[in-house]
Amino acid sequence: NAGVTQTPKFRVLKTGQSMTLLCAQDMNHEYMYWYRQDPGMGLRLIHYSVGEGTTAKGEVPDGYNVSRLKKQNFLLGLESAAPSQTSVYFCASSLHRDLEETQYFGPGTRLLVL
Amino acid sequence: GQNIDQPTEMTATEGAIVQINCTYQTSGFNGLFWYQQHAGEAPTFLSYNVLDGLEEKGRFSSFLSRSKGYSYLLLKELQMKDSASYLCAAMDSNYQLIWGAGTKLIIKP
Repeated sequence: NAGVTQTPKFRVLKTGQSMTLLCAQDMNHEYMYWYRQDPGMGLRLIHYSVGEGTTAKGEVPDGYNVSRLKKQNFLLGLESAAPSQTSVYFCASSLHRDLEETQYFGPGTRLLVL
Repeated sequence: GQNIDQPTEMTATEGAIVQINCTYQTSGFNGLFWYQQHAGEAPTFLSYNVLDGLEEKGRFSSFLSRSKGYSYLLLKELQMKDSASYLCAAMDSNYQLIWGAGTKLIIKP
């Protein structure tokens, strides 16, 4: 099992460009999450999904969109990138969203917006 | 509001013991997680506490006091590979994880 994978690993964008980050998991998990991690701050939830075809906003959703067309994939889109979106993006998944349910993380995507 | 506090950085010596503290304030509480994150890598699960007390897993132990909103991670017999950031996260009433900024642990020979 590959677990949680993310593509790309690193990307440089110019302000105003768009891109899509792909997350895939092969553990048949229901829940998937997109976080961003910035220096000196905790992981912040951008959007999450409780199952195929459903998405919900997290703590910092502005400037991002997501889609979960297939259970194993969760896409994060930036329509018009801004320098404030320079960050490391982590995707995670969990079987359920319940007590003691561990989240499994992908290796991260490092995004630099110039 | 919801908040997690943990020290920014700690230094310890190889072979020693270190305790990393975490205090939390959340809307409801469904447990406290500790994750380890090596530089440039993904966080990986270490422990989960929902009841008061100490949970031991080999060299790592985690403690929770719900009444004090307090947890700590205890690492014994420190090894160089334990150099990493340790993330504290509390699960709120909506089963959402609220994350601390992490404690960078530096191990010296």
